[in-house]
Amino acid sequence: EIVMTQSPATLSVSPGERATLSCRASQSVSSNLAWYQQKPGQAPRLLIYGASIRATGIPARFSGSGSGTEFTLTISILQSEDFAVYYCQQYNNWPPWTFGQGTKVEIK
Amino acid sequence: QVQLQESGPGLVKPSQTLSLTCTVSGGSISSGSYYWSWIRQPAGKGLEWIGRIYTSGSTNYNPSLKSRVTISVDTSKNQFSLKLSSVTAADTAVYYCARAAFGLVLYWGQGTLVTVSS
Repeated sequence: EIVMTQSPATLSVSPGERATLSCRASQSVSSNLAWYQQKPGQAPRLLIYGASIRATGIPARFSGSGSGTEFTLTISILQSEDFAVYYCQQYNNWPPWTFGQGTKVEIK
Repeated sequence: QVQLQESGPGLVKPSQTLSLTCTVSGGSISSGSYYWSWIRQPAGKGLEWIGRIYTSGSTNYNPSLKSRVTISVDTSKNQFSLKLSSVTAADTAVYYCARAAFGLVLYWGQGTLVTVSS
């Protein structure tokens, strides 16, 4: 199983600032890496796939980068609605597709 | 617009079998190239892929749960189901059904909390 490790666990950021989230895979997943956003009481929402491709309807302030084992999600100018938990997920290897443990982006 | 809805008991006793059903609307469960999946999330924790059933009916399970999991599909009702046997408190979680394409989940159910307790 590929283990996905996210850092930091919690990120405190002020609205309007930039947030940078990291995700590391225990072995190469090529560019088969996705990012999801989850708000309390809701199912996750796909933000990024292919490591850097925004899903339909996702604002341009969300960007992804990386390949192999190291990945980054950047939120360029944090809006109030962006405070949430973010998960990375690899879909390069089954079984199983695996998620990281999440990074909570909270208001500073 | 595809919609998924989980249903089933919210409370299961230890050692018993957890059974959930996902009803799909807005599209046929037997068309397209999708993995109909079950994913769970313990309170305050991350997401775990339990298993998947392909449009063709073939199944794949998370090795950590494989001995206890069965996923099946009922195309006549446009539903797929999860059975998890010999449950313990560690199986308490929100269970999501989902539709995955190439490993990406665009459609999720709202999630249903299943508590394992006597």
